Amino acid sequence: AQKVTQAQTEISVVEKEDVTLDCVYETRDTTYYLFWYKQPPSGELVFLIRRNSFDEQNEISGRYSWNFQKSTSSFNFTITASQVVDSAVYFCAARGTNDYKLSFGAGTTVTVRA
Amino acid sequence: NAGVTQTPKFRVLKTGQSMTLLCAQDMNHEYMYWYRQDPGMGLRLIHYSVGEGTTAKGEVPDGYNVSRLKKQNFLLGLESAAPSQTSVYFCASLTGGVLNTEAFFGQGTRLTVV
Repeated sequence: AQKVTQAQTEISVVEKEDVTLDCVYETRDTTYYLFWYKQPPSGELVFLIRRNSFDEQNEISGRYSWNFQKSTSSFNFTITASQVVDSAVYFCAARGTNDYKLSFGAGTTVTVRA
Repeated sequence: NAGVTQTPKFRVLKTGQSMTLLCAQDMNHEYMYWYRQDPGMGLRLIHYSVGEGTTAKGEVPDGYNVSRLKKQNFLLGLESAAPSQTSVYFCASLTGGVLNTEAFFGQGTRLTVV
């Protein structure tokens, strides 16, 4: 089974600041999948990104970027030039290819102030 | 394409009453999951299913039962509701196999047990 830790409970920033969310995972699987989800105040869970463990390329998509470091078991997520609409709870999740369970971290609440 | 649909969206139960939450997906996904979300605890896995006719326990299965008689439906039952089961419940589905995708979530069911 996977264990996902999001040490940051809450982050508050002023609009246009960058926000980095930390995620550390533990797994015994040699291959696994990592995810970030967003939960806005309306309550639904919105998929943001997925990363395979066998592809360590870090990418940027618009204002989102992520940094996957297998050596430190970290999968950090950055929002560049934050906006008020980015205010939400962000969840990191992991699933091993040999484990059907999808495990979530406790979530980080991001508040972006105008 | 409806994706994942949860029924009902809201429910208030009295202690000791029973109810069934329905999750339906139209994506032909193999895996289905039931989570509960409580403040500060993220999403915790209750039960999951890796295919029609199969179910398995997650992190917090006590007080709940599930069934997956049809591939597209995953039912979560509370036989005798308790106030500790007041929570927001999310259903998710995921395709299996090597070509993995993200999990798709329903809109959630807000359950209050009084």
